[in-house]
Amino acid sequence: EVQLLESGGGLVQPGGSLRLSCAASGFTFSSYAMSWVRQAPGRGLEWVSTIDYGGGNTHYADSVKGRFTISRDNSENTLYLQMNGLRVEDTAVYYCARDVPPDSGSLFDYWGQGTLVTVSS
Amino acid sequence: DAVMTQTPLSSPVTLGQPASISCRSSQSLVHSDGNTYLNWLQQRPGQPPRLLIYKISNRFSGVPDRFSGSGAGTDFTLKISRVEAEDVGVYYCMQATQFPRTFGPGTKVDIK
Repeated sequence: EVQLLESGGGLVQPGGSLRLSCAASGFTFSSYAMSWVRQAPGRGLEWVSTIDYGGGNTHYADSVKGRFTISRDNSENTLYLQMNGLRVEDTAVYYCARDVPPDSGSLFDYWGQGTLVTVSS
Repeated sequence: DAVMTQTPLSSPVTLGQPASISCRSSQSLVHSDGNTYLNWLQQRPGQPPRLLIYKISNRFSGVPDRFSGSGAGTDFTLKISRVEAEDVGVYYCMQATQFPRTFGPGTKVDIK
């Protein structure tokens, strides 16, 4: 069974940092690109970042570029999001999701339960 | 960027009746590999998003066959043949053809 479990969220002051983790199981993690998607309270979904299966290529939304860094450890089946320079508008539930598969199958087919990041003084 | 729009933004429906949601992209979503990576997601209250349809018309594992997707290029549609109580939630189209990935604003489906 595919499982994605996020952790690391919490309350942080503006300008602070947090590191989110997403522990993957039930599939060959190293074969899939992975993404972070966030959802501000009462709002829609916003893509944040994607990393390819090997970790060599990354993409970021303009809203987080230069502040957030996506990475992965395929030996630990874990995806990360390092968030620096946090702003009030970064407050959201952060989800990890499977992105590009090794075949031409389904993208964004599995999502974690999310972890809440609150940026407030 | 491919801007995704959805209509309607709210859809009160009667149980057992059909529902339809339209999604339009500002750019063609045909990938260079020939696929169109247009997904439909369902988000029930308090839950994470769930994939319903991928590549325009493919139902994901476990998705009831009352859900169907269609379309091409820039115009896409999600149809629910007979709405059930468990279908209440917000439905999003999203594209994964290009970066940045983009989502529609969501369509709230509830029961009249």
